[in-house]
Amino acid sequence: DQQVKQNSPSLSVQEGRISILNCDYTNSMFDYFLWYKKYPAEGPTFLISISSIKDKNEDGRFTVFLNKSAKHLSLHIVPSQPGDSAVYFCAAANQAGTALIFGKGTTLSVSS
Amino acid sequence: NAGVTQTPKFQVLKTGQSMTLQCAQDMNHEYMSWYRQDPGMGLRLIHYSVGAGITDQGEVPNGYNVSRSTTEDFPLRLLSAAPSQTSVYFCASSYSPWGERSSYNSPLHFGNGTRLTVT
Repeated sequence: DQQVKQNSPSLSVQEGRISILNCDYTNSMFDYFLWYKKYPAEGPTFLISISSIKDKNEDGRFTVFLNKSAKHLSLHIVPSQPGDSAVYFCAAANQAGTALIFGKGTTLSVSS
Repeated sequence: NAGVTQTPKFQVLKTGQSMTLQCAQDMNHEYMSWYRQDPGMGLRLIHYSVGAGITDQGEVPNGYNVSRSTTEDFPLRLLSAAPSQTSVYFCASSYSPWGERSSYNSPLHFGNGTRLTVT
């Protein structure tokens, strides 16, 4: 059973608008979450993270929100740019702290 | 800094052949891991290591072996390749594991992958 779920396989947004990517998790003991971006033929690259003691973390155009009661996190990209077009993976550190569990990814397309 | 280096980039094997995917990192990271990425499946953990001499299984370990004799290297061995092992393989490293045991949380750094086809 999937412990980290990204229920939207794809998202299309216009340049300059906000992109919101969503992620749900099932284990309330997870306490560290990360977002990765992946371009074709490259490895995933780290984007932003958040620990469970916070509900928001910002880094430039990227903000991650964590709602622990709903076991939900989201990544906001404002403003979206064509170069943001990629696959975005949500990940959570497992309870033992020994591995990252990844969602299946959401493909973001930003059109100019 | 090269980061995480994977070789080869591409490989074609026949069923039953064995091979080793190489992974090296130059960041003095304690933690290393192998993932496979399949269409519609995301990234799934094969094996990981929290330090030299220590390895453990991930979500999909069957058909793969690993060893960690040095901090820098973490090779992945396919013992007898099967078509189901056709995938893109990513090696990744981190300063430390995560959670309460870690002094701080650190992201995984990934290599650029090895695309393996088994016919």
